[in-house]
Amino acid sequence: GAGVSQTPSNKVTEKGKYVELRCDPISGHTALYWYRQSLGQGPEFLIYFQGTGAADDSGLPNDRFFAVRPEGSVSTLKIQRTERGDSAVYLCASSRDGNSNEQYFGPGTRLTVT
Amino acid sequence: EDQVTQSPEALRLQEGESSSLNCSYTVSGLRGLFWYRQDPGKGPEFLFTLYSAGEEKEKERLKATLTKKESFLHITAPKPEDSATYLCAVQGGGYQKVTFGTGTKLQVIP
Repeated sequence: GAGVSQTPSNKVTEKGKYVELRCDPISGHTALYWYRQSLGQGPEFLIYFQGTGAADDSGLPNDRFFAVRPEGSVSTLKIQRTERGDSAVYLCASSRDGNSNEQYFGPGTRLTVT
Repeated sequence: EDQVTQSPEALRLQEGESSSLNCSYTVSGLRGLFWYRQDPGKGPEFLFTLYSAGEEKEKERLKATLTKKESFLHITAPKPEDSATYLCAVQGGGYQKVTFGTGTKLQVIP
């Protein structure tokens, strides 16, 4: 079956602009995670959804970052007033449910803020 | 706060030369320790989950082991296609946040 997909694969935006990054999890997976990965670093946890609700958003760096998952499937990560420091690869992962430790990652969206 | 430290940062092996990667961790009530493989330009690929000290898991040329303070990923007779960055991560009890290390970049030379 299809894996986790993310769009766009690359996004270049100007400082101060608003961006939306999309994640399509594996069908039937109720748990969804967003991570941010900078060059030479491991993924950094941002937020976890169980179904439609954000069960843990402790990794969001500030209130410019927000994520939604209105129907419990597709999720959108939204970044307002982008800054150059937001440049990174944004990864999405899904798992069967919140008790499953096996996370399946998408290919990521490379965000560049100029 | 959970912490994961991986060593070495980079490792270069000849094909067939076995070695081990180290992952030292501190976590409040280990729920799971994970190993992932990441190829350039791609998302991490799940390899193993270990739950308690003494546990071992194997997959092809890879074997993961766990103690109360660290995990090892043993690579036996590696091949060039094993070249990748190997990431270790931990999850503590009672929460979903997963903390990753910075990875070990493995290069296997033919």
